[in-house]
Amino acid sequence: QVQLQESGPGLVKPSGTLSLTCDVSGGSLSSSHWWTWVRQPPGKGLEWIGEVYHTGTTNYNPSLKSRLAISVDNSKNQFSLKLTSVTAADTAVYHCARRTIPGNWFGPWGQGTLVTVSS
Amino acid sequence: QSALTQPASVSGSPGQSITISCTGTSSDVGGYDLVTWYQHHPGKAPKLLIYEVTERPSGVSFRFSGSKSDNTAFLTISGLQAEDEGDYYCCSYAGSRTHWVFGGGTKLTVL
Repeated sequence: QVQLQESGPGLVKPSGTLSLTCDVSGGSLSSSHWWTWVRQPPGKGLEWIGEVYHTGTTNYNPSLKSRLAISVDNSKNQFSLKLTSVTAADTAVYHCARRTIPGNWFGPWGQGTLVTVSS
Repeated sequence: QSALTQPASVSGSPGQSITISCTGTSSDVGGYDLVTWYQHHPGKAPKLLIYEVTERPSGVSFRFSGSKSDNTAFLTISGLQAEDEGDYYCCSYAGSRTHWVFGGGTKLTVL
């Protein structure tokens, strides 16, 4: 059973870089799925951030693209998110998830990790 | 503002049926049969309920069903139970530029 777990700093300073890693266990990143980041700001809905394939190919939310980098490390079976020039608006619970192919659904998901942008 | 529009809240009594709408455009909901629905309890991982508009994964109760008409998708929950309380989100493919968009979420209260 595939499980995902997010890790990274819970506090980032404004204008800094938010960096998170998602560890995948019980399955290989090198499968026919996409590996995704989704966030939920406090009191708001879910927002798709972007995704990466095991080859390194990425798709990004156009509203975040200029600040975003998602990468994959197949040797460690993990993928990562870097978001630069963060502001308070980037404060959110960040989830990693698998976009399962076929079917194109998001799941399984990590529990999520809260990242607060504050000085 | 979310790309897909959902009602902020819905409510129903145990045993009743409710329907949650998810309105988009011809560029997302109306253009592809790639709508999914999730149940989310804060602090937990979202749970898949419906994929490809109408398909129900194994392990999901038959009480959950999905449909679509033009640019609006629907999630119907029949035989409401107290455990159904929570937040519900729709999601749709939106083309090769935007990729994936979520709704703003609907809070379901079982009275």
